[in-house]
Amino acid sequence: EVQLVESGGGLVQPGGSLRLSCAASGFTFSSYEMNWVRQAPGKGLEWVSYISSSGSTIYYADSLKGRFTISRDNAKNSLFLHMNSLRAEDTAVYYCARAGVFSSSFDYWGQGTLVTVSS
Amino acid sequence: EIVLTQSPGTLSLSPGERATLSCRASQSVSSSYLAWYQQKPGQAPRLLIYGASSRATGIPDRFSGSGSGTDFTLTISRLEPEDFAVYYCQQYAGSPPYTFGQGTKLEIK
Repeated sequence: EVQLVESGGGLVQPGGSLRLSCAASGFTFSSYEMNWVRQAPGKGLEWVSYISSSGSTIYYADSLKGRFTISRDNAKNSLFLHMNSLRAEDTAVYYCARAGVFSSSFDYWGQGTLVTVSS
Repeated sequence: EIVLTQSPGTLSLSPGERATLSCRASQSVSSSYLAWYQQKPGQAPRLLIYGASSRATGIPDRFSGSGSGTDFTLTISRLEPEDFAVYYCQQYAGSPPYTFGQGTKLEIK
């Protein structure tokens, strides 16, 4: 069974940093592209970042302006999102999502981890 | 960046009725790289449709997708109580950004 489990969310002050993790199981993690998607309270879905299966190709949403860094450790079946210079508008549930091998739509999602940026 | 606009914002229907949700793109979505997701309160989104018209694994056949270019539709033929949720379209053509529509809330009338 495919499972994606996020962790690392919590309360952080504006300007602070946080590292989110996504532990993958039930599939060959190193063969799949991965993404982070976030959802602010009561709002819609916002794509955040993409990383290729090898980690060699990375993309970010323009709105992040270089504050976030995506990475992966295929040996440990883990995906990461390092978030710096956090702002109130970064408050959201952050989901990791797998891109299907035949279609890059997001076929599996984690349950999400809540990041709250507040003083 | 491709902008997706979903309509209506809210759709009020009764169980057993047919639901038609629209997603319009600001430019053509190549190779129909258009997906639909369902999200219920407190849950992660679930993939329903990919490639504009292919049902994901385990999705009932009352869900169908159609369209190409800039106009796409999700149809639920006969609404079941569990279908009332928020639905998002997403384009994933070529390189990111992989944008989402703003969502359509399907509520019980």
